[in-house]
Amino acid sequence: GAGVSQSPSNKVTEKGKDVELRCDPISGHTALYWYRQSLGQGLEFLIYFQGNSAPDKSGLPSDRFSAERTGGSVSTLTIQRTQQEDSAVYLCASSKGARATGELFFGEGSRLTVL
Amino acid sequence: GENVEQHPSTLSVQEGDSAVIKCTYSDSASNYFPWYKQELGKRPQLIIDIRSNVGEKKDQRIAVTLNKTAKHFSLHITETQPEDSAVYFCAARRTGNTPLVFGKGTRLSVIA
Repeated sequence: GAGVSQSPSNKVTEKGKDVELRCDPISGHTALYWYRQSLGQGLEFLIYFQGNSAPDKSGLPSDRFSAERTGGSVSTLTIQRTQQEDSAVYLCASSKGARATGELFFGEGSRLTVL
Repeated sequence: GENVEQHPSTLSVQEGDSAVIKCTYSDSASNYFPWYKQELGKRPQLIIDIRSNVGEKKDQRIAVTLNKTAKHFSLHITETQPEDSAVYFCAARRTGNTPLVFGKGTRLSVIA
């Protein structure tokens, strides 16, 4: 596709359930980010993948959160035992490479609501 | 890691006036400072950026300034228009395998 694709666009789940959010970056982009945006809040960094390097997981808020990136392309963010405070829009972004000046291209986001 | 502070959190200006948003960063090795604009219900998009070897950059009605000594940078929007209403995010990053860290955003409202 031409842009970053995320699915699902909306997810409603019950507290305690696990959820998986998917991100398909722009073809050829080696860097991939996950951010979380709570209602009216900023872009909270979660995790960063760059090529074959070990991911930077420093932003993950708890061990219930994990992410994988298979084959250097598609990424999945998994939240286990969801809590109400996990409700937010989860944004994925990709960029061309490790250059510090690479523009981030964001997806439309996955809106997660935990009841 | 990097920490970016952004002020103000909300800003209202009359159409035609100027708007200024300020950010500070903590990592003296950061050398890239982009600004993203997020319109209501849409994804953030890059509007302008500045690198550490430049003190000021301008693109039509928007400009960014950088003070490396003080570790702060600012976004200036002149002759504001209603379509400038959005949330603006500053960010900072150093070279290498490090993430881009954003400020908490400024909600700008331009009143016609």
